[in-house]
Amino acid sequence: EADIYQTPRYLVIGTGKKITLECSQTMGHDKMYWYQQDPGMELHLIHYSYGVNSTEKGDLSSESTVSRIRTEHFPLTLESARPSHTSQYLCASSEWGGGSPYEQYFGPGTRLTVT
Amino acid sequence: QQPVQSPQAVILREGEDAVINCSSSKALYSVHWYRQKHGEAPVFLMILLKGGEQKGHEKISASFNEKKQQSSLYLTASQLSYSGTYFCGTVLLRGNQFYFGTGTSLTVIP
Repeated sequence: EADIYQTPRYLVIGTGKKITLECSQTMGHDKMYWYQQDPGMELHLIHYSYGVNSTEKGDLSSESTVSRIRTEHFPLTLESARPSHTSQYLCASSEWGGGSPYEQYFGPGTRLTVT
Repeated sequence: QQPVQSPQAVILREGEDAVINCSSSKALYSVHWYRQKHGEAPVFLMILLKGGEQKGHEKISASFNEKKQQSSLYLTASQLSYSGTYFCGTVLLRGNQFYFGTGTSLTVIP
């Protein structure tokens, strides 16, 4: 069974605070992703990784950063949270082969509110 | 490069059929389909590779026309549990980036 975890599930934080959203998967997948999604709206890719020490920015401009020191762990950090960062953040992982990703498994998401 | 889905929203009565379309402006290697229920994360439905194949998943099937750079998702005899937002995802023939589509909200009513 696919296991991908995100913590915290909900976070309310004040403007200017530094926050880290955690994402871990136990499937040994090489590729991992972070998406931002407002309720009922599209999924926007903000970061992805092909494996350890590999990180890339997605299509949506983001003030966040990511790291991939271990295969299973892909945290996302906001150095200074702003109200415009209020959204849901979804982490996903997939296998990778033949130059193409396979199905993505999603975590439950972190709903972030910046006041 | 984001694929465009149509319709944006559809309302069905139980037992009716629906078709959701996904179109890309670039040549595709594969198309993925996901369903996201309200308040939940997206869940994978199926993947179609270039070659014009068609796949089925219970009463949900899909086709991929690589010449037209389009895919369609067919929902037959819809059930209440089919309600949600459907997203296609595409991998380009050139390059390996994955793009989610614009989404289609589907509501099935009794």
